[in-house]
Amino acid sequence: QQQVKQSPQSLIVQKGGISIINCAYENTAFDYFPWYQQFPGKGPALLIAIRPDVSEKKEGRFTISFNKSAKQFSLHIMDSQPGDSATYFCAASISGANNLFFGTGTRLTVIP
Amino acid sequence: NAGVTQTPKFQVLKTGQSMTLQCAQDMNHNSMYWYRQDPGMGLRLIYYSASEGTTDKGEVPNGYNVSRLNKREFSLRLESAAPSQTSVYFCASSVWGQKQPQHFGDGTRLSIL
Repeated sequence: QQQVKQSPQSLIVQKGGISIINCAYENTAFDYFPWYQQFPGKGPALLIAIRPDVSEKKEGRFTISFNKSAKQFSLHIMDSQPGDSATYFCAASISGANNLFFGTGTRLTVIP
Repeated sequence: NAGVTQTPKFQVLKTGQSMTLQCAQDMNHNSMYWYRQDPGMGLRLIYYSASEGTTDKGEVPNGYNVSRLNKREFSLRLESAAPSQTSVYFCASSVWGQKQPQHFGDGTRLSIL
């Protein structure tokens, strides 16, 4: 059973557009929600993370929006660039636990 | 700027063979992890080591063993490889107190025939 459900599976966005990737979870004990970026042939890299005490966190062109009541969180990439083309994974965990539950990934393609 | 280094990068095994995947980090991190990545399933934790001398099972430990040789090195062993273990394996590390992986290696692509 997938603990974190991610959509869409793939996404094509024009350069300069906004990329939006969504994730949903059921376990209300989750309190740490990171996003990872993975380029082909490379390992995932931690991009940005949020805890449920805030509804939004922004780092440069990347923003996480968090809706605790809906048990959903999303990644927004503003002014998307071809260099952003990668696979993005959301994840969730419980503080103090050593397991991080990953979504199934979204392959983003930004076309010039 | 090595970070997390995994060897080998690629390997093909026959069913029943054994092998050890090596991982080393040079960031003085305490915690290390082994994940496997399969298409359509994201990454799943195999084993975790909070510090030298300690290891814990993750979500999918069956068929694997690990050794935390020292603070830098964390190896993953397949004693009798099975086709279901065909996957991309990632090692990761994090600082003390951070119980989620921060830095990943570039992976070992393992095929078992």
